[in-house]
Order: sequence, then C-alpha cells, then structure tokens
Amino acid sequence: GDSVTQMEGPVTLSEEAFLTINCTYTATGYPSLFWYVQYPGEGLQLLLKATKADDKGSNKGFEATYRKETTSFHLEKGSVQVSDSAVYFCALRPTTSGTYKYIFGTGTRLKVLA
Amino acid sequence: GAGVSQTPSNKVTEKGKYVELRCDPISGHTALYWYRQSLGQGPEFLIYFQGTGAADDSGLPNDRFFAVRPEGSVSTLKIQRTERGDSAVYLCASSPSPRGGGGTGELFFGEGSRLTVL
Repeated sequence: GDSVTQMEGPVTLSEEAFLTINCTYTATGYPSLFWYVQYPGEGLQLLLKATKADDKGSNKGFEATYRKETTSFHLEKGSVQVSDSAVYFCALRPTTSGTYKYIFGTGTRLKVLA
Repeated sequence: GAGVSQTPSNKVTEKGKYVELRCDPISGHTALYWYRQSLGQGPEFLIYFQGTGAADDSGLPNDRFFAVRPEGSVSTLKIQRTERGDSAVYLCASSPSPRGGGGTGELFFGEGSRLTVL
C-alpha cells in the first residue's frame, strides 16, 4: 500500500543554518504531496504542497520539489530561524481509491538554537 | 474566522469507561475527518464524513469505536470500554470539499484531544 517515510529526528540546528528534511514515498499513480507543520501547542497546518511531478511548493522560505524519478519530496530552507522550531510531517494524498485517506510520515522534530 | 475546534483538549479516563470527543469543523466545510496520532507516530486515518454520512470508516480499529455527524456539522467520536492502547491524540480535520481544500488538497486541523486511559 501507499506509504511515506521521513527522516527521524530530532534535528537540532543553529540559527541561519541550512535545513533538509528527507521524505520519500511509495504510491500507485500520481499522488499529491504535502508538508504540514505543527508548532508547539497548535494544530497541524499546511506548509506547502505539490500536485504533479517537478512541481515546487514554497512558503515561508521553505521549499520542496516533487521528484517522481526518486519518489522524494525533501523539505529545504536556506536559513532557519528559532521560530521554525516545530514538528514537520510529510504526507501524500492518493489519487486512486480513497483520495481522502491522507497518509502521513512519522514527523521530524526540528529545534533551532539561537 | 474560527478554525476547527475540538473538545476536550485533554481527557483522562479509566480503563473500561466510555469517552466522547467532539469536533466542530469550520463553518461550511462538508468533509470531516478523524485521525489518531499515537506517540512518535504520524496521524493515522480513522473515518471520513461527507455531509452527514460516514463515507469510509475503514480506519476505525474495532467496533468499540464509533463516530456520528447527525446534522452535517459537529461530529462526535465515541469510544466504548476504553483500553490503555486507546491512549493517543485524536485529531479532527475538515475541508470544503471531498478532495480537500476546494481542490488545493488542504486539510484544516484542530489542536486535537489528548486521551489518556489509565
């Protein structure tokens, strides 16, 4: 079945460091891909998305490119801030049956130190 | 406008007790989802409503779990004879359309209800 695998955390970086959080997926067809973020004490919220191969999603300085050849959707940011400390979830929405059954990775906790 | 509201935010109960968790979606959102997030895991699908009907309840772990949405708005997740393994954060999400976000694919999540079964 469809699945999402993302790198385990926690990831600890200094402010202004470069961030990569790896995400790979297994799916039939052409799923849509998402990154959700959960800040402390808040619900999950959409960070960015891509709906087809080679699409690049971007928001708040974060970006991720839908790579069908490597089945990946890695999250990157050039210069992280303390306020980026959160848990990041990679997710896919199937395009075959059950398109409402979003599948999430296990989450990667990011801690940014001043 | 108001986001997805879930109550209670925290619930501690004893093994064997009955629990109800409530979700108030964003006004006008026809699709409603329940997910469960266990410690160290990502959210896992439980049930999906389109309007008043449960379109897919295949993620409910067993018949102790049941959910309703009688008027197509507020939903209640009901757990009978709770077990320690039911301890988790129960997340509710809504979207304007069945495919999420009016085509954008976005789910709008509440902050979750943390259930602890002693």
